[in-house]
Amino acid sequence: SAVISQKPSRDICQRGTSLTIQCQVDSQVTMMFWYRQQPGQSLTLIATANQGSEATYESGFVIDKFPISRPNLTFSTLTVSNMSPEDSSIYLCSVAALRYGYTFGSGTRLTVV
Amino acid sequence: SQQGEEDPQALSIQEGENATMNCSYKTSINNLQWYRQNSGRGLVHLILIRSNEREKHSGRLRVTLDTSKKSSSLLITASRAADTASYFCATSTQGAQKLVFGQGTRLTINP
Repeated sequence: SAVISQKPSRDICQRGTSLTIQCQVDSQVTMMFWYRQQPGQSLTLIATANQGSEATYESGFVIDKFPISRPNLTFSTLTVSNMSPEDSSIYLCSVAALRYGYTFGSGTRLTVV
Repeated sequence: SQQGEEDPQALSIQEGENATMNCSYKTSINNLQWYRQNSGRGLVHLILIRSNEREKHSGRLRVTLDTSKKSSSLLITASRAADTASYFCATSTQGAQKLVFGQGTRLTINP
């Protein structure tokens, strides 16, 4: 299955600033997924990142707040913009491995102060 | 919105005992998967069961799927302290690769 390198692993940010999270996959994949996990909660899909086209956002998530780039088939970034304490969460990227389930990055633990 | 509901939300057992977690979902699925998460880190894929399968085994794990009841269970036999983690079920539907996660069960194995 694919191996994902996600960084940063954690960060503490000031409110009003932005943070860009990177995910690098060791093989080419068609779709990459970005999830948010709020403290003590389950994972919620933010958007699906497609190479060569705009990301597809889930209800409740907008591009202005969570812009996503997908410049090639092995790389994607998620930016959390104009952060507030409510954005404090773990953010995870994921790729589908079809027969073997999905592979997840190790997560980015974001704290906004 | 979350499709799956899991119970119990938290489970604490003694090492060596079996642990059973349940997951229910609302719509027709293509497959159901179980994941483990240690200490809020990345998720580890445990097992995938397709909609036309009823039971699957992998080592100490046993998963069942009842599509008529829209439910699944994960059994961990002979639990170990290292099994302490949160466990999530996740479903995917036909034609959609995205996963929808359940609320998760926090499992604690006491030595």
